Amino acid sequence: GGIITQTPKFLIGQEGQKLTLKCQQNFNHDTMYWYRQDSGKGLRLIYYSITENDLQKGDLSEGYDASREKKSSFSLTVTSAQKNEMAVFLCASSLQGNTLYFGAGTRLSVL
Amino acid sequence: QQQVRQSPQSLTVWEGETAILNCSYENSAFDYFPWYQQFPGEGPALLIAIRSVSDKKEDGRFTIFFNKREKKLSLHITDSQPGDSATYFCAATPNNNNAPRFGAGTKLSVKP
Repeated sequence: GGIITQTPKFLIGQEGQKLTLKCQQNFNHDTMYWYRQDSGKGLRLIYYSITENDLQKGDLSEGYDASREKKSSFSLTVTSAQKNEMAVFLCASSLQGNTLYFGAGTRLSVL
Repeated sequence: QQQVRQSPQSLTVWEGETAILNCSYENSAFDYFPWYQQFPGEGPALLIAIRSVSDKKEDGRFTIFFNKREKKLSLHITDSQPGDSATYFCAATPNNNNAPRFGAGTKLSVKP
């Protein structure tokens, strides 16, 4: 079996700050994803990547950048944190878009 | 705009009852429909999935019923157990293997 590791588990930022979230997978999966989870809104797709150095925008990409430095890692940057923003960011990976395997998430709070 | 809709937002059943969770979509390009189960503090995990060529998929106490014409599906959990208390997400993947879209989830509580 494999594992998805997200760091950090908790992230507290200041308004306007640039914040980076990291994700590593050892499944050797081609595709990786970033979703944002807000209470009552489910999971919304931010970015995904079908291979190393590939980037595809999702439905919520504005305000975010992403980088797929190598097959096993996918990072997400919040370009300017919004005051009072609170959300969970979930990273996932899959083989050819079938079952997604998720990490435990990074919980973001902005003061 | 939500591409996948779920109802109800929350559901409470007694132990032993059948819980029915509903899902609908609009994009005809969706052809793979996984359901994910999420416990507090964890990421979602695949529970059961169906392809659009089938109208039913069963795995133990969990069954998906799929109506392609109406673009609706439902997850039935029979003999519900307190350990089934979790949030359930319906997802839909297009036939070009683009990324899955998720519904807003149904929070299920099973009372002993």
